[in-house]
Amino acid sequence: IAGITQAPTSQILAAGRRMTLRCTQDMRHNAMYWYRQDLGLGLRLIHYSNTAGTTGKGEVPDGYSVSRANTDDFPLTLASAVPSQTSVYFCASRDRPPIRPGVEPQHFGDGTRLSIL
Amino acid sequence: ELKVEQNPLFLSMQEGKNYTIYCNYSTTSDRLYWYRQDPGKSLESLFVLLSNGAVKQEGRLMASLDTKARLSTLHITAAVHDLSATYFCAVDETSGSRLTFGEGTQLTVNP
Repeated sequence: IAGITQAPTSQILAAGRRMTLRCTQDMRHNAMYWYRQDLGLGLRLIHYSNTAGTTGKGEVPDGYSVSRANTDDFPLTLASAVPSQTSVYFCASRDRPPIRPGVEPQHFGDGTRLSIL
Repeated sequence: ELKVEQNPLFLSMQEGKNYTIYCNYSTTSDRLYWYRQDPGKSLESLFVLLSNGAVKQEGRLMASLDTKARLSTLHITAAVHDLSATYFCAVDETSGSRLTFGEGTQLTVNP
């Protein structure tokens, strides 16, 4: 079944450790996104990529980095995890045609529940 | 900076009743999305609204967009328990590169 796969589904991590959250999509969407979801704050954009080889900063990029080496993969790295990064992380993708970008909704993965102790 | 505000944030209603969730946003956009999220689950796309006056309906849910008022509504008709979930609106910036989400409305439909 086509879609977005995130891994791991959950993780408990010691503060100061490095962690990479994986995201793979098989829909050949050109745009991909990482969000964090915290109670009462909705979803906040961390980083995005409109096409392979390019990335951009979202609303809350500090402490996170991304790369987009190919169309399918968009990993999110926490270089040195801190407790405030405890959250649920969602990866999303969408087809973003050059004419009228935004006509398609974003499709979301199942999320990674990350706890930093 | 684009801001998106939903109200109410919490809504408890009886089965069979009607209600409306409001989504206000702060800057010009003609692309607005509604999503549903069940507890512990991912987000599911409900509606894509792409122009002023757009109206979409699916079952007991109807969404509309007024770009001049910068307002979208999600109307629930004759609510049933299965509609219990958190509903998010999200607005596309004019560049079309990213979404800004509202805080979400947690809907509980009581029998």
